[in-house]
Amino acid sequence: SQTIHQWPATLVQPVGSPLSLECTVEGTSNPNLYWYRQAAGRGLQLLFYSVGIGQISSEVPQNLSASRPQDRQFILSSKKLLLSDSGFYLCAWNGGVNQPQHFGDGTRLSIL
Amino acid sequence: DQQVKQNSPSLSVQEGRISILNCDYTNSMFDYFLWYKKYPAEGPTFLISISSIKDKNEDGRFTVFLNKSAKHLSLHIVPSQPGDSAVYFCAASASSNTGKLIFGQGTTLQVKP
Repeated sequence: SQTIHQWPATLVQPVGSPLSLECTVEGTSNPNLYWYRQAAGRGLQLLFYSVGIGQISSEVPQNLSASRPQDRQFILSSKKLLLSDSGFYLCAWNGGVNQPQHFGDGTRLSIL
Repeated sequence: DQQVKQNSPSLSVQEGRISILNCDYTNSMFDYFLWYKKYPAEGPTFLISISSIKDKNEDGRFTVFLNKSAKHLSLHIVPSQPGDSAVYFCAASASSNTGKLIFGQGTTLQVKP
């Protein structure tokens, strides 16, 4: 069966520090991969999605970037974190159009 | 531009009764709709979906209804159980747009024993 792993579960970082969150999927090949952010009391905002290795689409202008160095690996990065980057970050995957997305357990990021 | 809206932030229901969660959308290109359940500090869990070619899909205690003319969908939970207490998100996608999901803001359901 397919599983999705996301780490770390929680992270506290100072303003201006770099960020790297990693997500990996097992049990499937060539998944679509997604990064979302949920701000406090808000819905899920799509940040990036990828339909293949090296293919990244950005949904909103921001201080973050994403990369897909391997088929089942999706990385969310920042060179310098801002206070506004705080939130709950979720990685998800699906097998294609009109298929449910399945989510990891998320990373709670707090910027001090 | 909120393309998917859940206008009720919260809902409280007695155990054993029906819970009805509502969702409205504006984009007529959406052709696939989903409901997710989310507990605090966890990722959303997929519950049920419906394609635009249908108006109803049922899975155990969960039924999703789609009214395309009104651009409205609803999730019915019967009977409601205390373990159903969570935040429920509706989401929609357009197959013409890589299938990425647009989420509503969520409705917090509390089922009282």
